[in-house]
Amino acid sequence: DAGVIQSPRHEVTEMGQEVTLRCKPISGHDYLFWYRQTMMRGLELLIYFNNNVPIDDSGMPEDRFSAKMPNASFSTLKIQPSEPRDSAVYFCASSWGFTGELFFGEGSRLTVL
Amino acid sequence: DQQVKQNSPSLSVQEGRISILNCDYTNSMFDYFLWYKKYPAEGPTFLISISSIKDKNEDGRFTVFLNKSAKHLSLHIVPSQPGDSAVYFCAASAVGDDKIIFGKGTRLHILP
Repeated sequence: DAGVIQSPRHEVTEMGQEVTLRCKPISGHDYLFWYRQTMMRGLELLIYFNNNVPIDDSGMPEDRFSAKMPNASFSTLKIQPSEPRDSAVYFCASSWGFTGELFFGEGSRLTVL
Repeated sequence: DQQVKQNSPSLSVQEGRISILNCDYTNSMFDYFLWYKKYPAEGPTFLISISSIKDKNEDGRFTVFLNKSAKHLSLHIVPSQPGDSAVYFCAASAVGDDKIIFGKGTRLHILP
């Protein structure tokens, strides 16, 4: 079975550019989470969806960040404009119901120069 | 503020010995606790969990202990194996809340 699929795996961009990260959750899962991993802050929850509806976006750092889930099989995290401090690994995770057992993708490593 | 704290960034343990990873939390509403394991260039994977109604949960070589009064949990790995070398994240969720809060992680090195 396919796991959570994220793209791109690596992204290098220049400050001020728009970045779009993509996620395909596991089929049938109704929760989708976006996390960001940095050395300083560890794994931070940015936003999560339930049945495609954003439930809690309190972790989104600022208005430059936005996330959408237009259907059950696709979500995007957009940063516009990007800044060097956005450099991190961004993980998408999904789950069926809320059991605490999240299935993570392999992550998208973003470097903003 | 970090609600889930892993104060040891790294830990080295001899192969075959016990590894003990510690985690403290501040939110008294947390009622479900989890440990995740992460290898380089991969996403975290679920390892073991414990509900606040229990004080111990065991799964093979992995045991999680919960001390609610101290707001402390620990993960014991016995015996430690080379494949256990990874970053371990402690995580928690609160009553009525669907989000999981992670700590910063502890890097475990199993020495030959």
